Amino acid sequence: DAGVIQSPRHEVTEMGQEVTLRCKPISGHDYLFWYRQTMMRGLELLIYFNNNVPIDDSGMPEDRFSAKMPNASFSTLKIQPSEPRDSAVYFCASSPRDRGPNYGYTFGSGTRLTVV
Amino acid sequence: GQSLEQPSEVTAVEGAIVQINCTYQTSGFYGLSWYQQHDGGAPTFLSYNGLDGLEETGRFSSFLSRSDSYGYLLLQELQMKDSASYFCAVGRTGGFKTIFGAGTRLFVKA
Repeated sequence: DAGVIQSPRHEVTEMGQEVTLRCKPISGHDYLFWYRQTMMRGLELLIYFNNNVPIDDSGMPEDRFSAKMPNASFSTLKIQPSEPRDSAVYFCASSPRDRGPNYGYTFGSGTRLTVV
Repeated sequence: GQSLEQPSEVTAVEGAIVQINCTYQTSGFYGLSWYQQHDGGAPTFLSYNGLDGLEETGRFSSFLSRSDSYGYLLLQELQMKDSASYFCAVGRTGGFKTIFGAGTRLFVKA
């Protein structure tokens, strides 16, 4: 099992540009989560999906952020337009249903986003 | 709302035992989990408590008291490689949403 795969590992972009982060969850995992980590705010849940359907997006900071999961093996998090305050590490995580909520997520390696 | 509190930093000596506490306030509490994160790395799952009591996994143990809204992570026989941040996280019923604490930075000294 390759684990949760995120790309790119690092992204540097200019303010105003569109940024797309990608995630491939572990095969067979029903739940996919997008988290953002900063020194000031820690690990924040942005959105999560169950069987490709968005369940809770209350953590998405504003309309500039959008997330999709077109199939069980792929999800994207898009920021358009990007701003310097979006600079953070973005993690994707997945979990199987039978573990129950919060039992133990598998995180990807993260995407370190820098908006200049 | 919900909140989690854990110490920001703990320092201990190699070979010693250290306990990292976590208190929480949340409705619909489901369980408490612990994650380790090394600098530049991803959080990795360590332990989970759904019921009161102690769970042991090698050198790591985790404890939960639901009546006290309190848990802790116990690390024994500390090694230098245990220097990392440790997060407690709570899950709630009615969904798969997990909220993380701010993390405890553990420094292990020789």
